[in-house]
Amino acid sequence: GPKVLQIPSHQIIDMGQMVTLNCDPVSNHLYFYWYKQILGQQMEFLVNFYNGKVMEKSKLFKDQFSVERPDGSYFTLKIQPTALEDSAVYFCASSLEGSGNTLYFGEGSRLIVV
Amino acid sequence: GDSVTQTEGPVTLSEGTSLTVNCSYETKQYPTLFWYVQYPGEGPQLLFKVPKANEKGSNRGFEATYNKEATSFHLQKASVQESDSAVYYCALSQNNYAQGLTFGLGTRVSVFP
Repeated sequence: GPKVLQIPSHQIIDMGQMVTLNCDPVSNHLYFYWYKQILGQQMEFLVNFYNGKVMEKSKLFKDQFSVERPDGSYFTLKIQPTALEDSAVYFCASSLEGSGNTLYFGEGSRLIVV
Repeated sequence: GDSVTQTEGPVTLSEGTSLTVNCSYETKQYPTLFWYVQYPGEGPQLLFKVPKANEKGSNRGFEATYNKEATSFHLQKASVQESDSAVYYCALSQNNYAQGLTFGLGTRVSVFP
């Protein structure tokens, strides 16, 4: 099936530093998403992105978070500065359409903030 | 806002027995309902989805019926295999704007030979 690739698969970073998580979505998809999953807990929606803009974001999407997809390259999630509570697995997803459409997920980027 | 509640895990079964994972949802809109499955070290992948009330979805022996009156979407499989061991997520997506999926907490299912 369609593949979403995420880089890196895992990263350990010092609190206060910046981290960028990269996502290569399915090639013809137009909608992109980030979800956060703390170990053993629920998948939680962070943000979605379409046509170069953030469409919806949750309360978890703090001011320290930003997303972009410059010139059709990677869809990125940047956290600056990082905090201990940002430790989680971040899943990128993409879909062809927005409403009611199937999301295809990557394997996740495990972020550990120390 | 929207919410999804499902059977609290873990659920432990023997091969060949039947599985039911309950899912109920709350929404003021008209959602599409999904079951996703997540294997260790992987992202969630679609098991199947049902966009319309009173219809049934199925895949790999799993099935669920979109019950609008009861606001439920219970997952069932008649005879599980060890390879069905995974975390199962019930989720919904609204049909009129692009907010993505609202997930349930997930139910860990472990099947032993």
